[in-house]
Amino acid sequence: DAGITQSPRHKVTETGTPVTLRCHQTENHRYMYWYRQDPGHGLRLIHYSYGVKDTDKGEVSDGYSVSRSKTEDFLLTLESATSSQTSVYFCAISESSSGGPYLPEQFFGPGTRLTVL
Amino acid sequence: AQSVTQLGSHVSVSEGALVLLRCNYSSSVPPYLFWYVQYPNQGLQLLLKYTTGATLVKGINGFEAEFKKSETSFHLTKPSAHMSDAAEYFCAVSESPNAGNMLTFGGGTRLMVKP
Repeated sequence: DAGITQSPRHKVTETGTPVTLRCHQTENHRYMYWYRQDPGHGLRLIHYSYGVKDTDKGEVSDGYSVSRSKTEDFLLTLESATSSQTSVYFCAISESSSGGPYLPEQFFGPGTRLTVL
Repeated sequence: AQSVTQLGSHVSVSEGALVLLRCNYSSSVPPYLFWYVQYPNQGLQLLLKYTTGATLVKGINGFEAEFKKSETSFHLTKPSAHMSDAAEYFCAVSESPNAGNMLTFGGGTRLMVKP
């Protein structure tokens, strides 16, 4: 299994509070992603990163920010949580190649279940 | 822009029966195609992928999928369902190759297996 951990795994918070989710990888992969999963919507991309300090917005980025100060860590922050941000959040990693064939697939962490009351 | 449609948000089969999960995609360039499986309270696990070459792709746990360009489809099949196959399955498409390995996911199909 790809070495990806997410913390915390579960969190309950109140509307208006800041929340930070952490994704940590041990694979030294270049690309990292944050998704949210909601019933009927599959996975939707929030933000992604091409490398240290290099990030960009995804499909559903409003209300979220990210930071990547080290290759191995990718943080997702909800500056002021709302009930609509109750979801399961997944981190993923990817690497174009590792000296061999092109590898387009992403590998996923175990997820963080966030409830905003 | 690329998109993925999975027909049927829920599919129910009997143990031992054929599993068929449907995926259609749209892409302006030759696609890379993926199936992922998600067991309860877990992350997504890559089941199989199509990049280039043989259009019939075999994956883990006895699953396979066939890329049909003319039908823009990548349906997932398994000859005989097991109880352990009960999970949610996601089809995804990527424009090949692309900076950032970006994926677009379908809405998912929950497979239920009846004893």
